[in-house]
Amino acid sequence: KQEVTQIPAALSVPEGENLVLNCSFTDSAIYNLQWFRQDPGKGLTSLLLIQSSQREQTSGRLNASLDKSSGRSTLYIAASQPGDSATYLCAVRAPGGTSYGKLTFGQGTILTVHP
Amino acid sequence: DVKVTQSSRYLVKRTGEKVFLECVQDMDHENMFWYRQDPGLGLRLIYFSYDVKMKEKGDIPEGYSVSREKKERFSLILESASTNQTSMYLCASSPGGSGKDTQYFGPGTRLTVL
Repeated sequence: KQEVTQIPAALSVPEGENLVLNCSFTDSAIYNLQWFRQDPGKGLTSLLLIQSSQREQTSGRLNASLDKSSGRSTLYIAASQPGDSATYLCAVRAPGGTSYGKLTFGQGTILTVHP
Repeated sequence: DVKVTQSSRYLVKRTGEKVFLECVQDMDHENMFWYRQDPGLGLRLIYFSYDVKMKEKGDIPEGYSVSREKKERFSLILESASTNQTSMYLCASSPGGSGKDTQYFGPGTRLTVL
């Protein structure tokens, strides 16, 4: 059974810092990996999606990397801002068959960026 | 923009009541999903559907059922609500097919069972 772990559980940084969020998964047979953002009391917003054949994806100040063989992904946020404060979730997608489309989520990292 | 809407943001029900949570997506997506989110446990998949009238159990289907009579609508049913079903419920949809699609989430329904 796939298990996804995110470290750290919470992170508080001053504005302007570069930071790294970590995600690890136990079964390397994945279709893709996604990073989501969740604001308090809200749904999830997809930030980046990395296919299993890719090594990284970038969007603005965000960069996500994937090392499938070691079961790890990192989300790098450059020049953090207070508006980046949210919970960040990583999720891996199972391969096809009856598990088609199924995501397994980590428990998230709560990020606080203070001015 | 893809829009996924859920019928209620907050809901309070009594133990034993039958509860319906409705989810509607407006982008003709093939796949729809129901998750619950609990502190310390994260998001867990309850049920998903990859076509009209088709459904698959997720990781925690016990105590729940689903209905998908139309492509755009996916309903989660609690046949007899219990206090351990107090949670945040999130619906999602995805286009399906290519394998490169992401899931789009609704705003969530916070259900309290008294």
